[in-house]
Amino acid sequence: GEDVEQSLFLSVREGDSSVINCTYTDSSSTYLYWYKQEPGAGLQLLTYIFSNMDMKQDQRLTVLLNKKDKHLSLRIADTQTGDSAIYFCAEFSSNTGKLIFGQGTTLQVKP
Amino acid sequence: KAGVTQTPRYLIKTRGQQVTLSCSPISGHRSVSWYQQTPGQGLQFLFEYFSETQRNKGNFPGRFSGRQFSNSRSEMNVSTLELGDSALYLCASSLDVGGFYEQYFGPGTRLTVT
Repeated sequence: GEDVEQSLFLSVREGDSSVINCTYTDSSSTYLYWYKQEPGAGLQLLTYIFSNMDMKQDQRLTVLLNKKDKHLSLRIADTQTGDSAIYFCAEFSSNTGKLIFGQGTTLQVKP
Repeated sequence: KAGVTQTPRYLIKTRGQQVTLSCSPISGHRSVSWYQQTPGQGLQFLFEYFSETQRNKGNFPGRFSGRQFSNSRSEMNVSTLELGDSALYLCASSLDVGGFYEQYFGPGTRLTVT
């Protein structure tokens, strides 16, 4: 079945780069997404990548996709304290028509 | 354009009661999905409605049900509430055009069952 795994916690210093990693199992995934959740809020779509792409850059965000290893990463350049949040990766499975989320990575940014 | 709205934002119920949560999607979005978020289980897919029809369903008991109206607004209902139903219930809407599934989430309804 589908499964998405993420590390649970990442701590970085303000100004450093953050890299959040994710692995998935469903080879039929068409789109992969990164969402951000701040305390008490819903999920905010940050960026996405189509499965036939290797990389996508969007301002401070860079998404890398290794389809062979089913590995997705989100790099945040010049991390700010406002980036502190939980980050979820998600895959859309064309087999099931469902969006499957990882368990979320808590990013802590220290000043 | 207004975002996804969910009402109520907070709810306290007792075991055995039932509850109805409401979601208004972004104007023009016809797909509405519901998720349950708990610290232990994370984000779990409940069901998805598209044009008033349930298009997909997660692995939840029959106590969890939903519906969608002709204006795309959706409601979900939980009957015979259990303590374990305490969670943040998130609704998301999407255009769902050409297989691209970009979901926009509402702020959620925080349900506490006592």
